Amino acid sequence: AQKITQTQPGMFVQEKEAVTLDCTYDTSDQSYGLFWYKQPSSGEMIFLIYQGSYDEQNATEGRYSLNFQKARKSANLVISASQLGDSAMYFCAMRERDYGQNFVFGPGTRLSVLP
Amino acid sequence: DTEVTQTPKHLVMGMTNKKSLKCEQHMGHRAMYWYKQKAKKPPELMFVYSYEKLSINESVPSRFSPECPNSSLLNLHLHALQPEDSALYLCASSQDPGTGVGGYTFGSGTRLTVV
Repeated sequence: AQKITQTQPGMFVQEKEAVTLDCTYDTSDQSYGLFWYKQPSSGEMIFLIYQGSYDEQNATEGRYSLNFQKARKSANLVISASQLGDSAMYFCAMRERDYGQNFVFGPGTRLSVLP
Repeated sequence: DTEVTQTPKHLVMGMTNKKSLKCEQHMGHRAMYWYKQKAKKPPELMFVYSYEKLSINESVPSRFSPECPNSSLLNLHLHALQPEDSALYLCASSQDPGTGVGGYTFGSGTRLTVV
């Protein structure tokens, strides 16, 4: 069964607007971590933001925020004030405590920022 | 600059060649990972080294041979590869090998083409 679902293969957003990238996950663990990574065409996986399953507040890192809805098992990434440099693949990922060494990625969403 | 350094950045090799990919980190992380990523797909786990010992081998063909000479270095030896092995090979490291839910730091990857 797929553990991470990203239903948007591709997204477009106008420069300076906000965009939400969807992510839902499946786990029976109580302790887990959720991550978003950005991968530009150069290939490097760039860490953006982290949300722990016990964190009560939604994570924020600069222009990135994570809309964490635990009951719905969703962890959507919100990018505010999009920039042309935000165009990239975005991967949602999960690490479960009981499967500590495996880091599961979703299929990714390709974001294109339009001038 | 990424704190995980991978060399070379690009590699073209014939099916009869022997080559090695190298990965280095100086963050004191005790777990290191090799991932394979095909175009437009998420990364797939190949190997995990925990405290310099191989702890996970995701049924990778024997033509891929990992090596961890010390806690800072991780190699991937390649021999008799097939054209379908062409991919981006990503190295990652994490502070906590099997406990906790911390994230990974990725390198920029090696783009491998097998001809």
